[in-house]
Amino acid sequence: KAGVTQTPRYLIKTRGQQVTLSCSPISGHRSVSWYQQTPGQGLQFLFEYFSETQRNKGNFPGRFSGRQFSNSRSEMNVSTLELGDSALYLCASSLFAGGDAGELFFGEGSRLTVL
Amino acid sequence: SQQGEEDPQALSIQEGENATMNCSYKTSINNLQWYRQNSGRGLVHLILIRSNEREKHSGRLRVTLDTSKKSSSLLITASRAADTASYFCATTRDDYKLSFGAGTTVTVRA
Repeated sequence: KAGVTQTPRYLIKTRGQQVTLSCSPISGHRSVSWYQQTPGQGLQFLFEYFSETQRNKGNFPGRFSGRQFSNSRSEMNVSTLELGDSALYLCASSLFAGGDAGELFFGEGSRLTVL
Repeated sequence: SQQGEEDPQALSIQEGENATMNCSYKTSINNLQWYRQNSGRGLVHLILIRSNEREKHSGRLRVTLDTSKKSSSLLITASRAADTASYFCATTRDDYKLSFGAGTTVTVRA
């Protein structure tokens, strides 16, 4: 079956703009989580959605937001982009949420460059 | 903040040798997972070990968990060039957030 699909794969934005990233989970998976990966901070948890509800949130400012649709597809949005938002944004899906999630299936990521 | 710390940060070995990397964490966990990442791509799940387990095997992989020392190790036996990647441990705590370590970069030389 198809894996986790993230779009776009690469994008370039300028400071102050906003960006929306999309994630389509594996069919049947109801949990989607998002991570930011940078050379300096490593992999940081952004948020997790399960059945359209945000179950958990990491320590990121309110400029970072997300949502999940009834078909489990998820989007994350970053407003008022800063240079430090340049990163690889990874989406992962799983059958279950939170501590029962077990194995996560990751997409290839969306690489965001902020100029 | 990162819960896990991998050691070493980087490892270079000859093909056929074994590679061992360690992960230490700070607070009690529900389970610990190991993931592999090739060159800035998505992560691939390798193995999950629960807090009540001490050792697990999967193919050429062996993972141990010592909850008293809050540490885990990943052993890759008979390494291949395709094992060249970054390896991350990830812990799940009671708050259900998955927290990744900084990773170990493994280079397997032909």
